[in-house]
Amino acid sequence: DTAVSQTPKYLVTQMGNDKSIKCEQNLGHDTMYWYKQDSKKFLKIMFSYNNKELIINETVPNRFSPKSPDKAHLNLHINSLELGDSAVYFCASSQVAPGRSYTFGSGTRLTVV
Amino acid sequence: AQTVTQSQPEMSVQEAETVTLSCTYDTSESDYYLFWYKQPPSRQMILVIRQEAYKQQNATENRFSVNFQKAAKSFSLKISDSQLGDAAMYFCAYRSDNAGNMLTFGGGTRLMVKP
Repeated sequence: DTAVSQTPKYLVTQMGNDKSIKCEQNLGHDTMYWYKQDSKKFLKIMFSYNNKELIINETVPNRFSPKSPDKAHLNLHINSLELGDSAVYFCASSQVAPGRSYTFGSGTRLTVV
Repeated sequence: AQTVTQSQPEMSVQEAETVTLSCTYDTSESDYYLFWYKQPPSRQMILVIRQEAYKQQNATENRFSVNFQKAAKSFSLKISDSQLGDAAMYFCAYRSDNAGNMLTFGGGTRLMVKP
């Protein structure tokens, strides 16, 4: 199936731990993104990569580090997890061409306890 | 920076009736694209409809249509013949060709459909 796939779908971890979320797309898109959806459902961009190059890095703590080994993969690593990091994290991809919509992964619900 | 505002946190509609969700945005650009996404309880983000700012004709997809008012910077979504499966969060979103092609979302409207 052509899609954006994220793993894991659910992640429960203790404060202070380090965790990673993986994302892969097989749509041939050249741009990938990470969005954070908070408890009030607000969606905010975190990072954007175009052909493995970082394009957008919004005001995100240094504990968050994206890694793109190739244009089909964009992983998110989080160090020293805090309670406030609890949220749903969405990976998405699109073509950089004007007006193209995003295709989203199914999200990863991260709960820090 | 572009901002997108959805002034209705929640809306309710009777099954088979019509409902309109509001969205306004702020931009200084002339070329951009607007979208409505649906997020059901499954959490998946699903594209509902897309509008190019340079087109005067309002986009339509089956029971979903938009009222795009460029001068007023308004982009509302009309759902006709509402179905129980339409119950979801709906997000309005803006995308320009600047700012790294970032999609900016409104705060969302929760739509409830009553049987």
